[in-house]
Order: sequence, then C-alpha cells, then structure tokens
Amino acid sequence: DAGVIQSPRHEVTEMGQEVTLRCKPISGHNSLFWYRQTMMRGLELLIYFNNNVPIDDSGMPEDRFSAKMPNASFSTLKIQPSEPRDSAVYFCASSFSAGVRDQPQHFGDGTRLSIL
Amino acid sequence: GESVGLHLPTLSVQEGDNSIINCAYSNSASDYFIWYKQESGKGPQFIIDIRSNMDKRQGQRVTVLLNKTVKHLSLQIAATQPGDSAVYFCAENMRNTGRRALTFGSGTRLQVQP
Repeated sequence: DAGVIQSPRHEVTEMGQEVTLRCKPISGHNSLFWYRQTMMRGLELLIYFNNNVPIDDSGMPEDRFSAKMPNASFSTLKIQPSEPRDSAVYFCASSFSAGVRDQPQHFGDGTRLSIL
Repeated sequence: GESVGLHLPTLSVQEGDNSIINCAYSNSASDYFIWYKQESGKGPQFIIDIRSNMDKRQGQRVTVLLNKTVKHLSLQIAATQPGDSAVYFCAENMRNTGRRALTFGSGTRLQVQP
C-alpha cells in the first residue's frame, strides 16, 4: 500500500518567494496533519484537518502560512512570502480517526525546505 | 513533553543487547502514547502505541511500559540490531478531548554497535 506521499522532497528558494508543499494522505484516512521539524524546536504541529475541515491551526506561525485540503486525497501548505527562518523539514501525516478507535498517524518522508 | 534542544541524548548499545529508551511526559491528562522511529532522511515511523488504561503492551521485539504515577513511558527493544539505529520519539495526546494532534518529545538517538 502507498504511504503518505509528499512533494517536493527538497525545495531551495530565495526569501520572498512563494513555496507550496503538497501531500497525498493514505487512502481511507480522514485526518491529515502538517508538522514542522527543526533542530531547535523538534517536531511541532502546524495544523490538522478532519474530514477536510481545519480543526486546529493554532500552530501555524503567522499569516504567511496557509493550508488547504480541497478533497480527501490532497492537501497543500503554502508559505508566502517565505523567510530564512522557515527553513525546516515539513511533514505530512494522516490517520483514520473515529473517536476511541483512532488509528496511529502515519508520516510521509517530508519536504526539506531551505530558504536562502 | 520533554524540553527540546540541539543535543539529543544518545543511547549506545551492543548488537544483541536489549535497549531501553525512556520518556517523561508532563501532561497528566494525556491518555494515549505512541513511539516513533525516525531514520535519517525519512519521516517518523510508527512502532507501537498504548492507551492510558494499560501499563504494558508488547509488539514484535518491542515492549512499551507506561507508569502514569510518575508520568513515565519506556520503549524496550529486545536483541537490538544495527537496523534499529535511529532517533526514537515518544508522543502523547488527549484523545478523550477529541484532540488528535500529537505532542512530541525531543527524541533519543539509539546507536547500535556491531
């Protein structure tokens, strides 16, 4: 079975440019999560969706960050304009959530973002 | 969860020995715990999880122990192999509140010496 698929795997761009990260969750999963990993702060939740609806975006750093989930099989995380401090590895994860029968989150291999 | 920082604690073990990785959590309301393994250049990979109504759960070569009294979680790996070398993260959340996002610890690097 295909896991969570993220693209691109690596992105290098200059500050001020728009960056779009993409995620395809595991088929049948109804929850999708975006995390950011840095050496200083570890793994942090940015936002998560349940049934394509954003539930908790309290981790989104600021208005430069936005996320969408137009359908059950696709999500984007956009940074506009990008800044050097946004450099990190961005992970997408998905799970099947059904109350007490929630399943574990499964992660993609991430997008390594470098803003020059 | 644990405090984060630049330097991961490292556990070095000999191949074939058992490994024990520890994790302290801070939220006494957490009711679900999970261990992930992260290899270089890859995303966290699910190992095993445990709910707060249990104190032990076993998988293939792995055991998770939960001590809610002292808010401590451990991952035991039996007969550690070179392929077990990775960074291991514990994570927690409060499923009884409906919140599904995980709070991660800072991780422990496991190095297996051949």
